[in-house]
Amino acid sequence: KAGVTQTPRYLIKTRGQQVTLSCSPISGHRSVSWYQQTPGQGLQFLFEYFSETQRNKGNFPGRFSGRQFSNSRSEMNVSTLELGDSALYLCASSPRTGGMNTEAFFGQGTRLTVV
Amino acid sequence: DQQVKQNSPSLSVQEGRISILNCDYTNSMFDYFLWYKKYPAEGPTFLISISSIKDKNEDGRFTVFLNKSAKHLSLHIVPSQPGDSAVYFCAAKGRDSGNTPLVFGKGTRLSVIA
Repeated sequence: KAGVTQTPRYLIKTRGQQVTLSCSPISGHRSVSWYQQTPGQGLQFLFEYFSETQRNKGNFPGRFSGRQFSNSRSEMNVSTLELGDSALYLCASSPRTGGMNTEAFFGQGTRLTVV
Repeated sequence: DQQVKQNSPSLSVQEGRISILNCDYTNSMFDYFLWYKKYPAEGPTFLISISSIKDKNEDGRFTVFLNKSAKHLSLHIVPSQPGDSAVYFCAAKGRDSGNTPLVFGKGTRLSVIA
């Protein structure tokens, strides 16, 4: 069974630009979550999608947005990039949201560098 | 406001000894707890979990202990091996009826010295 796939793995962007990151969850998983990891800050929750609907949102500015498609693939977009947006962006998928405790499976992440 | 705290940023342990990683939480609504392990340039890998109805869960060399009254959990690795050197994240989740996401601590970097 293929794991969670994130593309691209590495990205360099300039301040003010916008970026789109992609995540393909494990087949059959309908829940996709996005996290930002910066040095010393752990994994900070961005948002979660289930069946194309945003179910939860973390404390990030509106420049961070996402969506989920009918095949469960998800994208996140960051507009007007700032230097502080440089981070590892991780996507995680799980079989479902609600009703059952399950672990989330992570992709390898996209390393975004804003210069 | 950090709901999941890992107060030790790093830990060094001799190979063969026990590694104990600690985690504290503040939200009494959390009822499912997980540990993830992360190597550089890779995504976190699920290690072990525990539900709030238990106080211990064991999987091979890894054991997680939960003390609900103290809002504290710990991960024991015994015996520790050099390949265990990684960053370990504690995570917690609220009751699923609220569809709450995983909340992570900042991680503890474990170094196992041969």
